[in-house]
Amino acid sequence: IAGITQAPTSQILAAGRRMTLRCTQDMRHNAMYWYRQDLGLGLRLIHYSNTAGTTGKGEVPDGYSVSRANTDDFPLTLASAVPSQTSVYFCASSDRAGGDEQFFGPGTRLTVL
Amino acid sequence: GQNIDQPTEMTATEGAIVQINCTYQTSGFNGLFWYQQHAGEAPTFLSYNVLDGLEEKGRFSSFLSRSKGYSYLLLKELQMKDSASYLCAVEDSNYQLIWGAGTKLIIKP
Repeated sequence: IAGITQAPTSQILAAGRRMTLRCTQDMRHNAMYWYRQDLGLGLRLIHYSNTAGTTGKGEVPDGYSVSRANTDDFPLTLASAVPSQTSVYFCASSDRAGGDEQFFGPGTRLTVL
Repeated sequence: GQNIDQPTEMTATEGAIVQINCTYQTSGFNGLFWYQQHAGEAPTFLSYNVLDGLEEKGRFSSFLSRSKGYSYLLLKELQMKDSASYLCAVEDSNYQLIWGAGTKLIIKP
């Protein structure tokens, strides 16, 4: 693994289903983030983690949950998907929380029908 | 509220210079970032400004005026590969990034 990876690359999901988007980084970064990107809008922060074992809510956390059991992994779960969660999801990481460049994964394109 | 404003789209000619502006109103300020995003790809870091003034990095420069809530990204000697969206993001008082919607830059031969 080099950098930050996400899986799946894309997914079509029926409304009401549960879905976990995976994110793994090998840079030993302390901070990790989940964003969604919608056409015409800026990236919006869903959840973040400043260090392993801690998480926090971003701008648009409703309908999503995260966990940070270790440094490398930061999965995002949609408990019961709704069409408004159709979006491109980016995971990112940075060495520290604040004043540091964020490195982005390739993204997951999620469609909820 | 928090607000980041950038032009939606700009067009420039190969070899020319273009300036992309960003104005912001946020709850606190801990720095301003510029990222580049090619269509269908992830954003990649270009620059970071925390103090007023100009930061130069090769063909790209970024300027910040904290008193005016204003920044710009200057791209010189434009190349076709510079066709992309350019994202302005401000780090607020909670050290979270607030993102503009991005400026789509179209380069014509």
